[in-house]
Amino acid sequence: QKEVEQDPGPLSVPEGAIVSLNCTYSNSAFQYFMWYRQYSRKGPELLMYTYSSGNKEDGRFTAQVDKSSKYISLFIRDSQPSDSATYLCAMSNDKIIFGKGTRLHILP
Amino acid sequence: GAVVSQHPSRVICKSGTSVKIECRSLDFQATTMFWYRQFPKKSLMLMATSNEGSKATYEQGVEKDKFLINHASLTLSTLTVTSAHPEDSSFYICSATRPGQGNQPQHFGDGTRLSIL
Repeated sequence: QKEVEQDPGPLSVPEGAIVSLNCTYSNSAFQYFMWYRQYSRKGPELLMYTYSSGNKEDGRFTAQVDKSSKYISLFIRDSQPSDSATYLCAMSNDKIIFGKGTRLHILP
Repeated sequence: GAVVSQHPSRVICKSGTSVKIECRSLDFQATTMFWYRQFPKKSLMLMATSNEGSKATYEQGVEKDKFLINHASLTLSTLTVTSAHPEDSSFYICSATRPGQGNQPQHFGDGTRLSIL
């Protein structure tokens, strides 16, 4: 079993819809959880950073961590075409492990 | 705005050439920087951890003589791909963490796309 599993997509949703992205993991030692957005030919941009379980909201983005299920989610409300990108989950206790990324397309 | 700058963004060169990539932290001193490699539709692969003033720590399977890392100052780390060959063509990305934050979260540069002909 891989340490971090993330569906590569692509995921296509209409503009304005709520987007749900998620990752599962196997290492219960992970304490830090991150979501990055990566546009084509660019480096990843940190979107959300959470420690341990719980929810965190920042504008249209909400990150959820469920350590009991080893499952993390990123929700994007009122999705915009500019949200079209690859979203990478990442988690860490010491060394960061990245998911493969989910390609998201927001259809105008 | 960007907190990590990477240069150049694109390199195309002949096989056998050595290529240097620079990574700078713009508004903080980064005692630790990281170098990654990313293949199309694949995740980021950590190549090495660069510590200011000491030797880099390489991940298993990464040739230290092939990928030379120098972290001579608190704001600059360089990766040199020596005698590059077509199989070294890839997207190389650096990252840095702010002081006191350990190894996360990492802030990334915009990457360098290396193409070896």
